[in-house]
Amino acid sequence: DTAVSQTPKYLVTQMGNDKSIKCEQNLGHDTMYWYKQDSKKFLKIMFSYNNKELIINETVPNRFSPKSPDKAHLNLHINSLELGDSAVYFCASSQERVAGLGETQYFGPGTRLLVL
Amino acid sequence: QKEVEQNSGPLSVPEGAIASLNCTYSDRGSQSFFWYRQYSGKSPELIMFIYSNGDKEDGRFTAQLNKASQYVSLLIRDSQPSDSATYLCAVINTGTASKLTFGTGTRLQVTL
Repeated sequence: DTAVSQTPKYLVTQMGNDKSIKCEQNLGHDTMYWYKQDSKKFLKIMFSYNNKELIINETVPNRFSPKSPDKAHLNLHINSLELGDSAVYFCASSQERVAGLGETQYFGPGTRLLVL
Repeated sequence: QKEVEQNSGPLSVPEGAIASLNCTYSDRGSQSFFWYRQYSGKSPELIMFIYSNGDKEDGRFTAQLNKASQYVSLLIRDSQPSDSATYLCAVINTGTASKLTFGTGTRLQVTL
């Protein structure tokens, strides 16, 4: 009964390739997120979608393009991969669009991307 | 200045002791504060959240918030080896549409 799932778990690829990471949540949440955790373990938000609408778009290269076909799915496509894209990418979901005082974000297991 | 600051550690405490983890934040508009635990190679999981000044207790965990000092802490009583993990402090400003801003985390080691 995985709440937030991501595929693949591991992704090893060459520089310049294009790859996608998929995320699905079965919690019935309205909002989904993509975070990047670098080698120093710093976790930073990249994007957020609410009911398929983009609501947060941090300063992320436009090689990264999120796509939300429905509110249960948020995929991340990365073009022209670079060495610096190597990181762990976490998907997360929460119930509310605007943070309630007790909002909880539930994280997926992460996708470990290594660009060679 | 980082938006959310934590001492990276490692913080080493003996089993049974109280572990005290600290976090400061720069945005006075921050309104909700979260502590996540992350085991090595795993995803962050929520331990507690707090939004009112004072203390909030949940089992062995107590979160403390002082908005005037822009300071939030997590106390872990009767620390266990299974508490060894990285603890991430995160804040939300409700004007920024659910954007969680994380600190870099404090690595806690509970020794036998």
